[in-house]
Amino acid sequence: SQTIHQWPATLVQPVGSPLSLECTVEGTSNPNLYWYRQAAGRGLQLLFYSVGIGQISSEVPQNLSASRPQDRQFILSSKKLLLSDSGFYLCAWEGTRFPDTQYFGPGTRLTVL
Amino acid sequence: GQNIDQPTEMTATEGAIVQINCTYQTSGFNGLFWYQQHAGEAPTFLSYNVLDGLEEKGRFSSFLSRSKGYSYLLLKELQMKDSASYLCAVVDSNYQLIWGAGTKLIIKP
Repeated sequence: SQTIHQWPATLVQPVGSPLSLECTVEGTSNPNLYWYRQAAGRGLQLLFYSVGIGQISSEVPQNLSASRPQDRQFILSSKKLLLSDSGFYLCAWEGTRFPDTQYFGPGTRLTVL
Repeated sequence: GQNIDQPTEMTATEGAIVQINCTYQTSGFNGLFWYQQHAGEAPTFLSYNVLDGLEEKGRFSSFLSRSKGYSYLLLKELQMKDSASYLCAVVDSNYQLIWGAGTKLIIKP
């Protein structure tokens, strides 16, 4: 069966510090991968998605970036965090049928102070 | 533009039935998903509808009317553990998932 991991679970970072969040998927190959952010009490905002290694599409221009160095690894990064980057970051994987269900990792709660 | 509308919050009583509505206006339609999200946790998949009609899964049912751009999630025999947010999401013509803001369901004893 497929599983998706995210770490860390929680993170408190000062403004201006760098960020690296990692997501890995097991039990499937060539998944579509997604990064979402959810502000408190709000819906999901799509940040990035990837259909393959090195292929990243950005949905929201901001100080975040994403990379997919391996088939089942997706990384979200920032060089300098802003207060507005605080939120709940969710990674999701999706099979390659059209359409397919997205399955979410446990999430990372980021607080920028 | 693309738009998904859901009520922000609903309250229901344990043991009762509640219907959570979702209306959508999207560029094309390739299906509609419902997810459940407990506070502080990730969303989990509940249902997928692509054809008109009612799909039943235990205490949960999901209905779709494509001509009306409308879906609902029906929860029967409510339990306290059903307190959560319920997210509606539509697959558009580009197979992108458009998310609603979610409906927070509060269950009272």
